[in-house]
Amino acid sequence: AQRVTQPEKLLSVFKGAPVELKCNYSYSGSPELFWYVQYSRQRLQLLLRHISRESIKGFTADLNKGETSFHLKKPFAQEEDSAMYYCALSNYGQNFVFGPGTRLSVLP
Amino acid sequence: EAGVTQFPSHSVIEKGQTVTLRCDPISGHDNLYWYRRVMGKEIKFLLHFVKESKQDESGMPNNRFLAERTGGTYSTLKVQPAELEDSGVYFCASSLSGGAGYEQYFGPGTRLTVT
Repeated sequence: AQRVTQPEKLLSVFKGAPVELKCNYSYSGSPELFWYVQYSRQRLQLLLRHISRESIKGFTADLNKGETSFHLKKPFAQEEDSAMYYCALSNYGQNFVFGPGTRLSVLP
Repeated sequence: EAGVTQFPSHSVIEKGQTVTLRCDPISGHDNLYWYRRVMGKEIKFLLHFVKESKQDESGMPNNRFLAERTGGTYSTLKVQPAELEDSGVYFCASSLSGGAGYEQYFGPGTRLTVT
């Protein structure tokens, strides 16, 4: 069965510290992986996706098929990064599955 | 460009009543998705329209939920009769067709409270 896990419900780091939000998945095939973010009082929005291999707002994520992981990383966290982060997968626009989310709190 | 809109933003109804949620996708987006997040749980997929056709409705919890997308534009999600466990936030998202890497644009959600 398709599943996305995010082991941390809450992650607190100090401003300027590195941050890593973990995401593991189970899927029979080659899914697309995404990170979505929801800032306070804003709607859910796409942060990045594995096929584009880009860095958005300093965040990167590498798909590791061997470990079935897609961890989100940023070398220096900023206070404005505080938000809810969701890892998700899909099969080319179908069968979207979201993880439970991790709340990132960046402390001053 | 207007984003995905949802109406109402918040609905409070009694158990047994009917509620209809509406989603207006971004103009030109053929794909429309419904999700819901029940308190403390993850965002769960409900169904996926491609234009007016239901591509995948495997996430619909039971036959009290009915989704339509007449004309392939806006969509409605009706819950009849509502139960307490239906409370949560219902999200709609839309995306373009074609190619890999479907980027979904989400609406603000409708918070449904069943008392």
